[in-house]
Formats: sequence, structure tokens, C-alpha cells
Amino acid sequence: GQNIDQPTEMTATEGAIVQINCTYQTSGFNGLFWYQQHAGEAPTFLSYNVLDGLEEKGRFSSFLSRSKGYSYLLLKELQMKDSASYLCAVRENNNDMRFGAGTRLTVKP
Amino acid sequence: ETGVTQSPTHLIKTRGQQVTLRCSSQSGHNTVSWYQQALGQGPQFIFQYYREEENGRGNFPPRFSGLQFPNYSSELNVNALELDDSALYLCASSWGWVNTEAFFGQGTRLTVV
Repeated sequence: GQNIDQPTEMTATEGAIVQINCTYQTSGFNGLFWYQQHAGEAPTFLSYNVLDGLEEKGRFSSFLSRSKGYSYLLLKELQMKDSASYLCAVRENNNDMRFGAGTRLTVKP
Repeated sequence: ETGVTQSPTHLIKTRGQQVTLRCSSQSGHNTVSWYQQALGQGPQFIFQYYREEENGRGNFPPRFSGLQFPNYSSELNVNALELDDSALYLCASSWGWVNTEAFFGQGTRLTVV
């Protein structure tokens, strides 16, 4: 199958660090994306990985292991505004973009 | 704001009808992708247009069709609407089809009754 799996919900405390995992199966990998989506709004781009390793962008970092079909999004110094859904998406060689169902993150004071 | 605009924002149609949704891409972007997002789910890829030609398609039936115009704006057409077509339809634009960053519009909420 060609599945993208991520946890449905996560809860974390303001100021803490949270890691959202994503595992995928694909027939032809051509990049992995993370998007943030607040309720009722459009997704906004967070990160892109096509090679193994860690990409850091301010408070957000994303990691990829192609051999394991695994990625994670790391959010540091959590803020209340980080409460949102986080979508993992894989681009395949035919330009098909497959999204996971999203992880709903709730940040508590 | 991303500069990607979609119209209309909300639409109600009857089963069996046809609908056209529109997307104006961000200035300088030549690639538009369309997605269907059901409530509580991630977006599902419908298709992608690059320089007026379809260059990628997801698992959607032929009654979902599209166009891209010379100014790179785009339309999504859905024929013979079914109740399950009720969803948020998102378009995303980027420069180049091997894009690393796509900008989404706010979406069109389609309800089929």
C-alpha cells in the first residue's frame, strides 16, 4: 500500500518541545513536506526534505530517513498559537502529492 | 496571505449538477494543484497543471477535470455531483512543477445536497 501514517492527536505544554512522527510507504519518493493548518484555514508550508537528515528553520525542524520511510517534525519553545493540525505529505515521482490525515496538536498553558 | 485566491468561498449544489471552481495563482507561479479535503482528513491530490498542461493526477474519476489558462489561473470542473463530493477544495500554486513550496488558497467549501 501507499500509506502515510501520523498520530491523530497530541497534547503538549507551552514552552515545551514536541515531536510529530510520520511514516510512509511510496512507490517513488520525490520529497516530503510538512504543512501547518489552523482550523478553517488553508495549509501553510513549514518544511521540505528530499535528502536524509535534519532541516532546521527557526523553532521548527524536520528530519527524514528515506531508508526507514520516516520523518518527524520537531517544534521547540511551543506557543499557544502552535495549536493546529500538522500535515505530513509525500510527493511521488508522478507528481502525486499524498497527505496524511494530520496530527491535531493542542498546546496547553 | 499567500496571494492565491479562490472563488467562490462557499457553494451549495444539488446532486447531479455540475460545478466550476476557480483559482488565481500567486504572481509568477506557473503551476497549480487542486486538492479535495474532507472534514477531519488531509487534502487528497486531484491533479496538477504546469504551463497549461496536466502533469499529474490522483485517484479521482474523469468527471473531475480541469484547465489552466495562459495567465496560469485555473479551473476545477466536477460533473454529475455526488453527495460525497461535499468537501473543501483547495488550490495551491508554485513556481515550477518540482516545487519545494506551494502556497494554498483559502479554499472553496462545496456542499452537495
